[in-house]
Amino acid sequence: DVKVTQSSRYLVKRTGEKVFLECVQDMDHENMFWYRQDPGLGLRLIYFSYDVKMKEKGDIPEGYSVSREKKERFSLILESASTNQTSMYLCASSLGDRGLYHYGYTFGSGTRLTVV
Amino acid sequence: AQTVTQSQPEMSVQEAETVTLSCTYDTSESDYYLFWYKQPPSRQMILVIRQEAYKQQNATENRFSVNFQKAAKSFSLKISDSQLGDAAMYFCAYKEGRDDKIIFGKGTRLHILP
Repeated sequence: DVKVTQSSRYLVKRTGEKVFLECVQDMDHENMFWYRQDPGLGLRLIYFSYDVKMKEKGDIPEGYSVSREKKERFSLILESASTNQTSMYLCASSLGDRGLYHYGYTFGSGTRLTVV
Repeated sequence: AQTVTQSQPEMSVQEAETVTLSCTYDTSESDYYLFWYKQPPSRQMILVIRQEAYKQQNATENRFSVNFQKAAKSFSLKISDSQLGDAAMYFCAYKEGRDDKIIFGKGTRLHILP
């Protein structure tokens, strides 16, 4: 069964800590994404990557960075966690377009991060 | 910029009845995809149905179907014979043809009443 795995389901961190959220996919997908999900705001794109060592900012990149050293792994980094980064974080991967067909994203099951 | 609007934050439907979730989007592109995703309490996002903009025929997947009105930029989801397992947050989503970024609406929480 193909999968996107996020390393932690729940995480509690202190303000100012450096936080790593890990995401691994086993589908050989080129494209990977990090979203943040908040009630009433839906999913908002933080960063994405279309290739190893490549990264691009999404709509809300401030306070975050990413790392993609290997194709299967895409890490989200909170350099100095703040309480307004308390949220659900969702990782997704995608094959991209295959001719005129797009399979959509495969999502991980999310990490609920609380910053205290 | 493209936007996706879901005007119903919450809806309820009686088990076995039919419910329609609304979605509108804004784009100047002609080549794009639309999706409905389901997020149950387990938090796992599941793709329910997809629609390619170039296809005039509405997509269907078992009890789930869409009403795609390209000129009106409307993409509603119809769930027939609602079941308790359909209770979830539903997200409408848009993807431009030449890009792989997906833009999500704010979601509609669907309650199924037994």
